[in-house]
Amino acid sequence: AQSVTQLDSHVSVSEGTPVLLRCNYSSSYSPSLFWYVQHPNKGLQLLLKYTSAATLVKGINGFEAEFKKSETSFHLTKPSAHMSDAAEYFCVVSGSNTGKLIFGQGTTLQVKP
Amino acid sequence: DSGVTQTPKHLITATGQRVTLRCSPRSGDLSVYWYQQSLDQGLQFLIQYYNGEERAKGNILERFSAQQFPDLHSELNLSSLELGDSALYFCASSVAPGTAIQETQYFGPGTRLLVL
Repeated sequence: AQSVTQLDSHVSVSEGTPVLLRCNYSSSYSPSLFWYVQHPNKGLQLLLKYTSAATLVKGINGFEAEFKKSETSFHLTKPSAHMSDAAEYFCVVSGSNTGKLIFGQGTTLQVKP
Repeated sequence: DSGVTQTPKHLITATGQRVTLRCSPRSGDLSVYWYQQSLDQGLQFLIQYYNGEERAKGNILERFSAQQFPDLHSELNLSSLELGDSALYFCASSVAPGTAIQETQYFGPGTRLLVL
């Protein structure tokens, strides 16, 4: 079975400082992993995805994630936070070959001026 | 804008009632997925359709059902509604049915259901 654990329910950073949102996954086979972002009262937007190509994945809005098989981690980073980054972030793993997505519980990112 | 549309945006109804949520996938996408987002359960997969056929089932209650029509739009029917069914219901679409290398799913804006 596949699962994801987001290690922090809430992260607070100052504008201009780095962002680190942590995610560990569990999968019985080589997984596809995603990060989605949800702004208040909005739908879900794909930030980036890993599908067994390069382990360092670049996404939109300056976000990156690194797939580390030995640590079963897929942490999301950004060098410099912007106020507009304040949102809920979901780490997601695909479930087998049906397309079902399994979501983590989410991390709320707060960006302080 | 993802290209996935959902109607209505908001729905307020009473316990015991039945509602229908509608989703139109992106042009060219054959797969439609339904997810439920609630405060206590988080985001959960409900059901997937691919080209009109049910492809995968998740934690979908027996009171809920869905279908995908020949024009590929999908409807999620929720009946005998309970207070706990209040949630945000998302539809997503992708080109393919889902493989080991996962296709990107594009999400609609959601339908917020409030059961009073």
